[in-house]
Amino acid sequence: ETGVTQSPTHLIKTRGQQVTLRCSSQSGHNTVSWYQQALGQGPQFIFQYYREEENGRGNFPPRFSGLQFPNYSSELNVNALELDDSALYLCASSLGQGEETQYFGPGTRLLVL
Amino acid sequence: AQTVTQSQPEMSVQEAETVTLSCTYDTSESNYYLFWYKQPPSRQMILVIRQEAYKQQNATENRFSVNFQKAAKSFSLKISDSQLGDTAMYFCASQLMNRDDKIIFGKGTRLHILP
Repeated sequence: ETGVTQSPTHLIKTRGQQVTLRCSSQSGHNTVSWYQQALGQGPQFIFQYYREEENGRGNFPPRFSGLQFPNYSSELNVNALELDDSALYLCASSLGQGEETQYFGPGTRLLVL
Repeated sequence: AQTVTQSQPEMSVQEAETVTLSCTYDTSESNYYLFWYKQPPSRQMILVIRQEAYKQQNATENRFSVNFQKAAKSFSLKISDSQLGDTAMYFCASQLMNRDDKIIFGKGTRLHILP
């Protein structure tokens, strides 16, 4: 167990809908990163938040957005869902300040129909 | 740009045998980390081992060890005395150092440990 939790565990949406995924970081961690893992692939970086500010973004369109709260929990929002958004979404927290080891949550499996 | 390549999509070995998973990577940076992550069917991504690029000594964690060849940009994982619980997807990954940067993952190797 890494101490990182995610909710929900599974989710089914239809194309065009919006979805919010949640992540609770490990205690004391002020940095959270989100990854998308398509079936049979390695995770791909979506974006990172450090102390409530976006701190880097991968090659994902603007309809993928995020928030980090003062307690360092985080949300990933995806608007206008597409079939290709079906994937496992992982969040990972880290201490920041040069301590890069990221601890992953169990993920949210999103299916878009 | 960083890239990570795993050329073995799937492997099977008998319990108690030793198995080596291959990984090559590419980066123009000199300071970086390399990782092996394990993802069992439960989906939890678990850090197996970490190697700092500036360290010449290969990292070891119990039955897991790496062969880090910096000049060749190779980073293989050796699992000794394999156990049924080692069955999982294994991802090789890299991350730039001192920048809280994103992790770049390979496509993974599915490892089956057979009884």
